[in-house]
Amino acid sequence: AQKVTQTQTSISVMEKTTVTMDCVYETQDSSYFLFWYKQTASGEIVFLIRQDSYKKENATVGHYSLNFQKPKSSIGLIITATQIEDSAVYFCAMREDMGYKLTFGTGTSLLVDP
Amino acid sequence: EAAVTQSPRNKVAVTGGKVTLSCNQTNNHNNMYWYRQDTGHGLRLIHYSYGAGSTEKGDIPDGYKASRPSQENFSLILELATPSQTSVYFCASGDGGLNYAEQFFGPGTRLTVL
Repeated sequence: AQKVTQTQTSISVMEKTTVTMDCVYETQDSSYFLFWYKQTASGEIVFLIRQDSYKKENATVGHYSLNFQKPKSSIGLIITATQIEDSAVYFCAMREDMGYKLTFGTGTSLLVDP
Repeated sequence: EAAVTQSPRNKVAVTGGKVTLSCNQTNNHNNMYWYRQDTGHGLRLIHYSYGAGSTEKGDIPDGYKASRPSQENFSLILELATPSQTSVYFCASGDGGLNYAEQFFGPGTRLTVL
């Protein structure tokens, strides 16, 4: 069975710094997709970035990037030059290649202070 | 325009009553999903659908039914609501293929069962 674990409950950083959020996963599949979502204070859940397990290059979108360490079953989210509006809860999720459902971690709350 | 919409956005129900949560998507995605979000659990999958006429059980289906009458619409039904079903419910749509592995979420419905 799939499992996704986010051990950091909350993180607080200063604006314009870099933050890394951790996520480890368990799967029996050799092919899978990993995602990060952001949930804003209003409750909206927004897709941020994805990593396909067969790709060696770390995905990057805007000021979001991933640190994919396949041997460690780890997919960290890196946010550079953080902004106040990055304050939110961040969820890591996984989908197996032949499956349809997402399995989510419990989320990490990020607070960016001015 | 929002591609995944939910109604109602807020609902108060009585124990033992019937509740129907509705979801509509304009993404033309084949797959649709219902999740609930509770503190400490992240998002958990209740039911999902591969297309019109199909419904599948997710990880926590007990006490819930689902209906997919069309490509665009997916409903979650609580026949006999209980206080333990007080939660925030999210609908999502996705295509499941390699190029569209991510899911897109609606704004959520806050359900309170008294």
